[in-house]
Amino acid sequence: DIQMTQSPSSLSASVGDRVTITCQASQDIRRDLNWFQQRPGKAPKLLIYDVSNLETGVPSRFSGSGSGTDFTFTISSLQPEDIGTYYCQPYDDIEVTFGGGTKVEIK
Amino acid sequence: QVQLVQSGAEVKKPGASVKVSCKASGYTFNTYYVHWVRQAPGQGLEWMGVISPSGDSTINAKKFQGRVTMTRDKSTSAVYMELSSLRSEDTAVYYCAPIPYPWGQGTLVTVSS
Repeated sequence: DIQMTQSPSSLSASVGDRVTITCQASQDIRRDLNWFQQRPGKAPKLLIYDVSNLETGVPSRFSGSGSGTDFTFTISSLQPEDIGTYYCQPYDDIEVTFGGGTKVEIK
Repeated sequence: QVQLVQSGAEVKKPGASVKVSCKASGYTFNTYYVHWVRQAPGQGLEWMGVISPSGDSTINAKKFQGRVTMTRDKSTSAVYMELSSLRSEDTAVYYCAPIPYPWGQGTLVTVSS
């Protein structure tokens, strides 16, 4: 099973700040990685698929990079509506797992 | 328009079973793998298992083997997840998730005596 180490577990930043979240996989997952956003009280929503591809309608301030075992998710300019928890999600064929999540708050 | 609707909240006693439904409209739901993911209060996302498009094949996370049954009714574009031998630690919101497509709204299952 793929294990994913996501950090930090939480962060607080000001509006306009650049925010970075990392995920490290226990094995090479090539580029098989998605990023989800979960706003409070809502279902998770796919933001980025296959490491760096923005889902339709997702603002360009969100981006992703990486390959192999090390991945990065970035919000270039944090907005108030970005508060919530972000999860990386590697996938190994059919089975999926999730990173532990990063809770993003506004300072 | 894609829409995935899950059944309503449930309250169950320890040892009971719960069956959660997830019905789709607006797209070819019957061609997708559908995962079940749960989230305990204040916790992260936990993958439970997945059912194939045909419904003939399921894979469960080791933690839930023997307790979870996933089924599919292609005639109504619905999938179901039944969890048995409930305990308090199963209190969570349960999501159907045809990853990478939009998820259901979630179903709160509360296990309490």
